Amino acid sequence: DTGVSQDPRHKITKRGQNVTFRCDPISEHNRLYWYRQTLGQGPEFLTYFQNEAQLEKSRLLSDRFSAERPKGSFSTLEIQRTEQGDSAMYLCASSRNTQTTDTQYFGPGTRLTVL
Amino acid sequence: DAKTTQPPSMDCAEGRAANLPCNHSTISGNEYVYWYRQIHSQGPQYIIHGLKNNETNEMASLIITEDRKSSTLILPHATLRDTAVYYCIVRVAEGGANSKLTFGKGITLSVRP
Repeated sequence: DTGVSQDPRHKITKRGQNVTFRCDPISEHNRLYWYRQTLGQGPEFLTYFQNEAQLEKSRLLSDRFSAERPKGSFSTLEIQRTEQGDSAMYLCASSRNTQTTDTQYFGPGTRLTVL
Repeated sequence: DAKTTQPPSMDCAEGRAANLPCNHSTISGNEYVYWYRQIHSQGPQYIIHGLKNNETNEMASLIITEDRKSSTLILPHATLRDTAVYYCIVRVAEGGANSKLTFGKGITLSVRP
């Protein structure tokens, strides 16, 4: 059973550039979540998908952020016109949502540094 | 905002039990208590969860008080590899629509040799 994978693990970019991160969930997990974590804080929820439908977005997800899960499998998170405040760890989690369970399993994260 | 409060840090000796407390006095009847941990620079790792009964798995035990206003995560024989930030999270019933996790700052456990 392979876990959640994220790519890349590290990304350094210059302010104003666009970046895209990928998350591959655990096979057959129908829910996929994105979180952001800044230094010294716990992860903060950004958005989640059930299959290909994006069901909830946090107010943290400004219009420069967009997430997709086109075929209900992998997901991408794009940040346009990056700002220094976007520097953080971006975490992906997946779960197999049923009526009795919805435990989220996290990937290793993508650490973004905006110069 | 997180619905739980945890002390910022604690330590324990290697080989001894680590008892990590968590207060969740406003927990609702359909909310579960989840524990995750995060080792430096890694993604959070699921440990255990429960509703009202005590739970045990290969990693830890979860003791929930009868009034459900607090809980304790027990690592029975702490090792140096258990040094991490431990998050106690209250979340709506499984299968529900509001399934996001709301993390606080967690408790930093330091296991000393």
